[in-house]
Amino acid sequence: EDQVTQSPEALRLQEGESSSLNCSYTVSGLRGLFWYRQDPGKGPEFLFTLYSAGEEKEKERLKATLTKKESFLHITAPKPEDSATYLCAVRNYNTDKLIFGTGTRLQVFP
Amino acid sequence: DTEVTQTPKHLVMGMTNKKSLKCEQHMGHRAMYWYKQKAKKPPELMFVYSYEKLSINESVPSRFSPECPNSSLLNLHLHALQPEDSALYLCASSRSLNTEAFFGQGTRLTVV
Repeated sequence: EDQVTQSPEALRLQEGESSSLNCSYTVSGLRGLFWYRQDPGKGPEFLFTLYSAGEEKEKERLKATLTKKESFLHITAPKPEDSATYLCAVRNYNTDKLIFGTGTRLQVFP
Repeated sequence: DTEVTQTPKHLVMGMTNKKSLKCEQHMGHRAMYWYKQKAKKPPELMFVYSYEKLSINESVPSRFSPECPNSSLLNLHLHALQPEDSALYLCASSRSLNTEAFFGQGTRLTVV
């Protein structure tokens, strides 16, 4: 059965304090790993797609990387507006299902 | 434009009511999805349509009935819901089943 596990569950950072979020996955055939940001009461906002191990994507203060078993979302010098829940999702090649991890709730304090 | 529009934004319904949630996209995407999200939980997949045909049904109770009238529209018909069905219902679309999905802002459903 496909599994996506994110850690930590919650993370509190001081503004400017860089850190990384982890997404570990077990899937019978990976057809893409996706990162989303979700603000309370809103729909998830797409951030990145990664398809193969070694791939990296970058956008402003965020950088996503992928290995064969996990993905990292690195946040460099975060700002309070980066506070949100960050969700990782994997798509199974065999079933086409897009399955989400439990998310990391990030709070950045000024 | 990566917009998926869901209506209504909020819905309160009684357990004997029939209502529908609507979702629309004009990006030419051929896959559309319904997800259910409870507070502080990740989205849970309910249904997937690919080229207007139901591709995945995650054993969802029959009181939820999806419909895809055309490539731009996706409906979710609700009937005889239970209070535990109260949640944020999210619609999403993607160019294909290989690519990233874009989500709407959701319908906050409360069953009383």
